[in-house]
Amino acid sequence: KAGVTQTPRYLIKTRGQQVTLSCSPISGHRSVSWYQQTPGQGLQFLFEYFSETQRNKGNFPGRFSGRQFSNSRSEMNVSTLELGDSALYLCASSLGGGFTDTQYFGPGTRLTVL
Amino acid sequence: ILNVEQSPQSLHVQEGDSTNFTCSFPSSNFYALHWYRWETAKSPEALFVMTLNGDEKKKGRISATLNTKEGYSYLYIKGSQPEDSATYLCASYGGSQGNLIFGKGTKLSVKP
Repeated sequence: KAGVTQTPRYLIKTRGQQVTLSCSPISGHRSVSWYQQTPGQGLQFLFEYFSETQRNKGNFPGRFSGRQFSNSRSEMNVSTLELGDSALYLCASSLGGGFTDTQYFGPGTRLTVL
Repeated sequence: ILNVEQSPQSLHVQEGDSTNFTCSFPSSNFYALHWYRWETAKSPEALFVMTLNGDEKKKGRISATLNTKEGYSYLYIKGSQPEDSATYLCASYGGSQGNLIFGKGTKLSVKP
């Protein structure tokens, strides 16, 4: 079974631009969660999508948004980029997003904002 | 907001040493605790999902215990090997949060 894939793997943008990151979950997984990791911080939860609906949202500004398509693929968008948005963005998929469901992580997208 | 703490932040051991580290989490409204291993340049990989007080899980030389009443979990590695070098993350589901809350991890370095 193919694992979780994320594109692109690396991205360089400038302040004020917007960016879209993509995540393809493991086949059959319906839940996709997004996390941000910055130096010195743990994985910070951004949001979770299940069956094309945002089910949970973390404490991030409205510049961070996402969506999920009918094939469970998910995209994350960040508008009006700030220097502090430079981070590793990970997505993780699971069967149903339940609290005992194992999350399978992708390799991440490294975003650098100049 | 749920707070998950891990200690120590980093650990350096010699090959063959056994080691352990701690994850603490709020014990109220606890649902599940997850452990992940994150090797450099790879994706985090699930080790264990634990739900019951007193639960103990084992995978090869790695084992974990769970105390939901006092809000902590221990991860043990017996006879550490260089390939065990990684950051070990724990994450908890609990309270009104419908998502995993991660600790900052324990970075383990095993010297040959």
